[in-house]
Amino acid sequence: EPEVTQTPSHQVTQMGQEVILRCVPISNHLYFYWYRQILGQKVEFLVSFYNNEISEKSEIFDDQFSVERPDGSNFTLKIRSTKLEDSAMYFCASRSNRGRNTGELFFGEGSRLTVL
Amino acid sequence: RKEVEQDPGPFNVPEGATVAFNCTYSNSASQSFFWYRQDCRKEPKLLMSVYSSGNEDGRFTAQLNRASQYISLLIRDSKLSDSATYLCVVMGIRWETSGSRLTFGEGTQLTVNP
Repeated sequence: EPEVTQTPSHQVTQMGQEVILRCVPISNHLYFYWYRQILGQKVEFLVSFYNNEISEKSEIFDDQFSVERPDGSNFTLKIRSTKLEDSAMYFCASRSNRGRNTGELFFGEGSRLTVL
Repeated sequence: RKEVEQDPGPFNVPEGATVAFNCTYSNSASQSFFWYRQDCRKEPKLLMSVYSSGNEDGRFTAQLNRASQYISLLIRDSKLSDSATYLCVVMGIRWETSGSRLTFGEGTQLTVNP
C-alpha cells in the first residue's frame, strides 16, 4: 500500500539552527501539506502546496518557514532559525483529487523535532 | 469562536457501550467533513467521511447537520481497540488558490475499559 514517508523520525537541534524535514508523498497525489502537533495539543495546519506553489498557509507559517518540492518526489519543510516553541511533531500529508474521499489526507508517521 | 470545537472528553466507557461524539464548526462555507482517529503518538488516520445524508460503516455512524453546523460520530458496541483520540475535521476550499485546508478539532479521547 502506498504511503507517505518522512525523515528524520526524530531530530534534536539547538535553538537558532536550521532544520530541514523531508517527506516523500504518495506518487500520484497532487496536494501536499505540512501540519504540526505540539505535545498534548491539536493538529495545526501549517501550509498546503499545489502545482508547485503554496496554495494556503497559516499564521504559524511565518518567514522562518519555507517549503520546497525540489525534484518531483520530495517535499521539504525548512525552518531557518529554530525556536524552543518549534518543538513539535511535524506531519507531512498528501491528498489525491480523485475519488469520493478526495478529502482524505494520508499522513506520514511524523518527524519529531526537539529544540534545545 | 474556535473553527472546530469538540466535546472536551475524556470519555471512559466499558466494552460494549455506545458512545457519541459531538462537534461544531464555525465556517458555514466549509465543504467537507471527516472523522479521523489518532492513536497515542501516531499520525491521524481517516476513520470516515461525513455526508449530509448520514453514513454508517459497521459500528460507526456519522451525521452532519449543515443548518446547525454540527457533526456527530456514534460508536456502537465499543471495543478495546476503539481506544484512541477522535478528531473532527472540516475542509474548506479556496477555489482561487486551490487551497484546501483541513482544520482539526482538538480531539476527544476515548478509553474503552474491559
